Amino acid sequence: QITLKESGPTLVTPTQTLTLTCTFSGFSLSTTSRVAVGWIRQPPGKALEWLAVTYWNEEKYYSPSLETRLTITKDTSKNQVTLTMTNMDPVDTATYYCAHRREGYNIWGQGTTVTVSS
Amino acid sequence: DIVMTQSPDSLAVSLGERATINCKSSQSVLSSSNNKNYLAWYQQKPGQPPKLLISWASAREFGVPDRFSGSGSGTDFTLTISSLQAEDVALYYCQQYFSALETFGQGTKVEIK
Repeated sequence: QITLKESGPTLVTPTQTLTLTCTFSGFSLSTTSRVAVGWIRQPPGKALEWLAVTYWNEEKYYSPSLETRLTITKDTSKNQVTLTMTNMDPVDTATYYCAHRREGYNIWGQGTTVTVSS
Repeated sequence: DIVMTQSPDSLAVSLGERATINCKSSQSVLSSSNNKNYLAWYQQKPGQPPKLLISWASAREFGVPDRFSGSGSGTDFTLTISSLQAEDVALYYCQQYFSALETFGQGTKVEIK
């Protein structure tokens, strides 16, 4: 059974760096299974926004509009994927999800809500 | 980026009636190498993460009721709920995974008339 869980701060101040961790089980990102883990966010009352993805084969991709602020890393020994977003702004207030990707994102974490406020 | 545009933004349908949601991509998401459309549909209910309903434009996930169906190819796609049930009230999103830079549509809200 595949599960994912996001963790990180619920409140950050403007200009701070946000670090979120996705801890998963039930699959490995170190095998040649064409598996990936992605991050998607959703501001309150707004649409889903794809942020980044990391693949089993070390490939990583970022949303062009946020690429300069995002870093995605994986720790296969811990079954974790980390997303770092720099220079946080109130518009970055959102629920952040990590999800297991095969053909589409078939398993999602419950999400973690991050508020950016001074 | 491949821009995904859904229509309508919202629709209200009577119980038991058909609901149709459209999704248009700014570029084709059909692969010439495997003839597959890299298009997924999700359902999101309030306070829940999205749920994958359909991948490859028309392949229902295990456990998804057969009243949900996906169709289309290239740049134009449709999600159809053949007989709307109360539990289908939700937001629906399309997503392309043809490009490594994935994108979602803006969402369509389905309500009961």
